[in-house]
Amino acid sequence: KAGVTQTPRYLIKTRGQQVTLSCSPISGHRSVSWYQQTPGQGLQFLFEYFSETQRNKGNFPGRFSGRQFSNSRSEMNVSTLELGDSALYLCASSLGQGANSPLHFGNGTRLTVT
Amino acid sequence: DAKTTQPNSMESNEEEPVHLPCNHSTISGTDYIHWYRQLPSQGPEYVIHGLTSNVNNRMASLAIAEDRKSSTLILHRATLRDAAVYYCILRDEWGGGSEKLVFGKGTKLTVNP
Repeated sequence: KAGVTQTPRYLIKTRGQQVTLSCSPISGHRSVSWYQQTPGQGLQFLFEYFSETQRNKGNFPGRFSGRQFSNSRSEMNVSTLELGDSALYLCASSLGQGANSPLHFGNGTRLTVT
Repeated sequence: DAKTTQPNSMESNEEEPVHLPCNHSTISGTDYIHWYRQLPSQGPEYVIHGLTSNVNNRMASLAIAEDRKSSTLILHRATLRDAAVYYCILRDEWGGGSEKLVFGKGTKLTVNP
């Protein structure tokens, strides 16, 4: 069974640009969540989607947005990039939306903003 | 938000058991305790989770205190491949729109040959 796939693996953008990251969950998984990981702040929750609906949202500005498609694939978008947005962005999928379902993470997209 | 506290780092020798502690004194009755580990340049990997009872799987065991305010991840025989950062997190079964999953800094486990 294929794992969670995130594309691209690496991305370099300049300040002010926007970026779209993609996540393909494990087949059959309907819940997708996104995280930002930086050396200083650790892993921080961005948002969670289930059946195309945003279920939870972390404490990030409105420049960070996401969506989920009918096939459970998800994208996140960051507009007006800032230097501080440089981070590893991780996507995780789970079979259900409850806390009893383990999260399965992809290997992330490393975004560098210059 | 329910948070967890873990030691920054721990060290172990190969083939010895490792006990990784986690404190979660503000845990609620509907919080599941999850453990993940992360190797460099990879995403976190699921290890184990539980609610009230101790749990075992092929990777590890999870011992949960009776009052649920702490838990311990047990690696029965550490190998060099177990060297990673281990995260203990709480996931609320009934989390609504205000749920925020919280990952702490984790425990960096070093395994000596």
